[in-house]
Amino acid sequence: ILNVEQSPQSLHVQEGDSTNFTCSFPSSNFYALHWYRWETAKSPEALFVMTLNGDEKKKGRISATLNTKEGYSYLYIKGSQPEDSATYLCAFPNSGGGADGLTFGKGTHLIIQP
Amino acid sequence: GAGVSQSPSNKVTEKGKDVELRCDPISGHTALYWYRQSLGQGLEFLIYFQGNSAPDKSGLPSDRFSAERTGGSVSTLTIQRTQQEDSAVYLCAIRRVSTGEQFFGPGTRLTVL
Repeated sequence: ILNVEQSPQSLHVQEGDSTNFTCSFPSSNFYALHWYRWETAKSPEALFVMTLNGDEKKKGRISATLNTKEGYSYLYIKGSQPEDSATYLCAFPNSGGGADGLTFGKGTHLIIQP
Repeated sequence: GAGVSQSPSNKVTEKGKDVELRCDPISGHTALYWYRQSLGQGLEFLIYFQGNSAPDKSGLPSDRFSAERTGGSVSTLTIQRTQQEDSAVYLCAIRRVSTGEQFFGPGTRLTVL
């Protein structure tokens, strides 16, 4: 059973502030690390798929970093906006392969307060 | 989600009844996944289809659960003799080969009374 942990479980942030949260995963047999955003009443939306140690990816105000040797990834949101309120999920392929089903963390529930 | 539809969107059933959930992806995606999210739990992998290969059923929680994918397109997830703990949102996803991202359908919310 893969252990994918996310922290914190929930987070309240003032609008305009920046924030970050963590995903930890098995550092052996690494293939890829996925980040998704899941807004209430919508489908999970892919943010990033990260494969290289030291990689940093960016989409607008959201960015992510990856450390495969120590088994963690950070997701950063700069200048939080109310529309950033969602649950952010990280996921790891089940058997270390790119096409496998994913094991998800329980997510970080982010609430942006106006 | 882009390219994946699911039906029904909501299903309420009585304990002990069988239910069938449907996933209809756009054509050309050989990899199809089923997940579910129970109340207070994370997204849980159920089953994965890849082309003509035998499906990876390692995530199915019991033998009451089964899934098939006909003609490499539509997939159905069947739950026999439903129990209250089967209540969850069931999500279907396809994979973009170039990036590895999975794209999710809108889900079916199953409530077992």
